[in-house]
Amino acid sequence: GAGVSQSPRYKVTKRGQDVALRCDPISGHVSLYWYRQALGQGPEFLTYFNYEAQQDKSGLPNDRFSAERPEGSISTLTIQRTEQRDSAMYRCASSLDPTSEAFFGQGTRLTVV
Amino acid sequence: GQNIDQPTEMTATEGAIVQINCTYQTSGFNGLFWYQQHAGEAPTFLSYNVLDGLEEKGRFSSFLSRSKGYSYLLLKELQMKDSASYLCAVRDQETGGFKTIFGAGTRLFVKA
Repeated sequence: GAGVSQSPRYKVTKRGQDVALRCDPISGHVSLYWYRQALGQGPEFLTYFNYEAQQDKSGLPNDRFSAERPEGSISTLTIQRTEQRDSAMYRCASSLDPTSEAFFGQGTRLTVV
Repeated sequence: GQNIDQPTEMTATEGAIVQINCTYQTSGFNGLFWYQQHAGEAPTFLSYNVLDGLEEKGRFSSFLSRSKGYSYLLLKELQMKDSASYLCAVRDQETGGFKTIFGAGTRLFVKA
């Protein structure tokens, strides 16, 4: 596609529910990154993939968070048993290869009530 | 681990020049990026440095000193539309690959 696409753009969920956030990277991009961004802060690293392999998941806050990219294209970030502290902007980015600049999507604004 | 420091806010006048500094500490430095982020929008790539020296791109220039763990972004002929957050990001090479870590960003206010 023309750019990184994330869906949904906004998600409101009740505490305790599971949510799945989707990222469709730029076609042909090898690397895909997930970040979380609080208002007024820089993006906080969560995890990243090269092709379908999850290279680093050290930024995932706890075991309620997981991510996959089964076919090396679309990725899903799943948060189980959501808590209010999970409320944030979740951003996905992709790059042509691991050494190139990243292009960001518009993000998913998650609100846990 | 990694640590990136940049000023929280800066104010400058339209038409002037502003320099935004960034210092970093990382164990496996493999490049430094600058991104611009307007309020409510996604970050967009501005510049990349991996070797020491100055990279110029129009009104924007970025400098890197690896030995000092220091970079700056220089914005010339400031325009009102340059009011945004500027994010310094460091790519760190760790076991298994690269990871890009962002600083908290510097909010730049351009006044008339």
